[in-house]
Amino acid sequence: DGGITQSPKYLFRKEGQNVTLSCEQNLNHDAMYWYRQDPGQGLRLIYYSQIVNDFQKGDIAEGYSVSREKKESFPLTVTSAQKNPTAFYLCASSGSHEQFFGPGTRLTVL
Amino acid sequence: AQSVAQPEDQVNVAEGNPLTVKCTYSVSGNPYLFWYVQYPNRGLQFLLKYITGDNLVKGSYGFEAEFNKSQTSFHLKKPSALVSDSALYFCAVRDWTNAGKSTFGDGTTLTVKP
Repeated sequence: DGGITQSPKYLFRKEGQNVTLSCEQNLNHDAMYWYRQDPGQGLRLIYYSQIVNDFQKGDIAEGYSVSREKKESFPLTVTSAQKNPTAFYLCASSGSHEQFFGPGTRLTVL
Repeated sequence: AQSVAQPEDQVNVAEGNPLTVKCTYSVSGNPYLFWYVQYPNRGLQFLLKYITGDNLVKGSYGFEAEFNKSQTSFHLKKPSALVSDSALYFCAVRDWTNAGKSTFGDGTTLTVKP
């Protein structure tokens, strides 16, 4: 988990609310990623960014939004349009090859 | 398109015995292959990678993996399993023609019994 922080560790959302998950890295990596993890389904890519001020949709971007205003930061907003947001969210960054992951945020809808 | 298959949801071995966690992949070009481990409620940790060169790669905690191009496989191995190796293991493939995105397998739960 070194070099990447995610906050909060646990997050509870009410129906109709937008919530923002924080991801910060001090590894000087250009690329950053957001994944969603559900039991038995592995990791699914939500959004990724190869460089500051640019990002692309992943495989399951609907109901999510991101920004990349700084190299170190890649926050993810889960909007009210995401109908089933309860999951474990993982942020990662990458230099040349392998990815480095944060500790994750567990989001629960009340 | 790129894809990864981990054919076993669970692998059970006795402590001290060798372990193998299987992975096969599909990419259009040359693959970059990775193994990661995840402990409960934690992020993934990098174990090892194949980029180019020697087909047998060694990684953290005594793990190794063999790249087999003809069988499109990248199985994870360890000669002697420890109870502390019990965790969820993910294989991933990265295609640099696809903006560097990785595709992950669904994971294999390894249980090592004393």
